[in-house]
Amino acid sequence: EPEVTQTPSHQVTQMGQEVILRCVPISNHLYFYWYRQILGQKVEFLVSFYNNEISEKSEIFDDQFSVERPDGSNFTLKIRSTKLEDSAMYFCASSGRDRGHTIYFGEGSWLTVV
Amino acid sequence: TQLLEQSPQFLSIQEGENLTVYCNSSSVFSSLQWYRQEPGEGPVLLVTVVTGGEVKKLKRLTFQFGDARKDSSLHITAAQPGDTGLYLCAGAPSSNTGKLIFGQGTTLQVKP
Repeated sequence: EPEVTQTPSHQVTQMGQEVILRCVPISNHLYFYWYRQILGQKVEFLVSFYNNEISEKSEIFDDQFSVERPDGSNFTLKIRSTKLEDSAMYFCASSGRDRGHTIYFGEGSWLTVV
Repeated sequence: TQLLEQSPQFLSIQEGENLTVYCNSSSVFSSLQWYRQEPGEGPVLLVTVVTGGEVKKLKRLTFQFGDARKDSSLHITAAQPGDTGLYLCAGAPSSNTGKLIFGQGTTLQVKP
């Protein structure tokens, strides 16, 4: 069964460093997302991406964050200068043409900022 | 801000019992999805409900979307220890966006 894959599964980084989280969405999907979950809290929407541009972003997704689809398969989330409060599990997700109806999540990348 | 409230937050039952988890909001959602999440892993999709009043069954799990598309429920019949886990509901405020609003989750423990 097709799945969303994410790398790395776990990354530890120093405060102020740049981090890139990578994702390979399901191959025939058109819409891509990043969500995050701080330990013990709800899953929160960060950004949605369609047709090579951001279609919606949350208040969390400030200028420190950016997304990119550098080729036909990868989808990345970059955090330019990490802060302690960026420590969280980051989930990539994708959906097909019926977006908003069926969204599939990856296993997550656990980011620890020290 | 749209919110989804799940209840109960924690539920501990004996094997064989039935249970219902509720997901409520004052807002209308175009669709609602139920996920199950294991510790340290991503949410795994169980079902998507789209039409008000819709009922979907997945083996011993029955999902219902409220007529007004503001609430949903998950009913498990004859719970088994393998059902233990975190159940999440997530609503899509719009059919034009993939943004999901998540509930805080219901942690279910089924004791043998």
